[in-house]
Amino acid sequence: QVQLVESGGGVAQPGRSLRLSCTGSGFTVRNYGIHWVRQAPGKALEWVAVISYDGIDKHYADSVKGRFTLSRDNSKNTLYLQMTSLRPEDTAVYYCARDPRLQDTLVVPTAPDFWGQGALVIVSS
Amino acid sequence: DIQMTQSPSSLSASVGDRVTMTCRASQGVRTFLAWFQQKPGKAPKSLIYAASNLQSGVPSRFSGSGSGTDFTLTISSLQPEDFATYYCQQYDVYPLTFGGGTKVEIK
Repeated sequence: QVQLVESGGGVAQPGRSLRLSCTGSGFTVRNYGIHWVRQAPGKALEWVAVISYDGIDKHYADSVKGRFTLSRDNSKNTLYLQMTSLRPEDTAVYYCARDPRLQDTLVVPTAPDFWGQGALVIVSS
Repeated sequence: DIQMTQSPSSLSASVGDRVTMTCRASQGVRTFLAWFQQKPGKAPKSLIYAASNLQSGVPSRFSGSGSGTDFTLTISSLQPEDFATYYCQQYDVYPLTFGGGTKVEIK
């Protein structure tokens, strides 16, 4: 079955960096785009970014644009979310989730279907 | 950005009840609207896409309707496993945006 597993969460000081990974299995990861969605403690879901199956197309929320960078290594079935210049308001559980379209560009958005279990990021001094 | 407003923010219901919750977009999103269920401490689960299409494996007691700015999620007969928070999300334009959620609690 489709599975996504996030890793790399932890505690970082404000202004520092952290990299999250998302590893997929049960499907051909290189054929699908991946979304990142976060949830601050006790708050609603917030969409963060999405990367296309080939890594060419990317979209970011304004709140992270210029600070967060998406990449992927299809040889490892793994996606990355590089987070820099971290702020306390970036504290959240970060989920990766699959874009359901096969080998599609991201010109037209769509909602994710399968989700990982999440990784907690705490930004605090 | 498109703002998504869900109401009510919470509701109490009993097993077997018919439950309805709404999601309103600040501008029209056609039918590019998804619903997700989230239980405490767990990842969201996709329920509905394109306003009214059930994801594979989702029970038929769940249904969605609407287009443009107003959408509804209905649970026809609430089951114990349905107590959770429900989120809508528009995907008509970037950035994708979620509503604030509706928490369904046990009466």
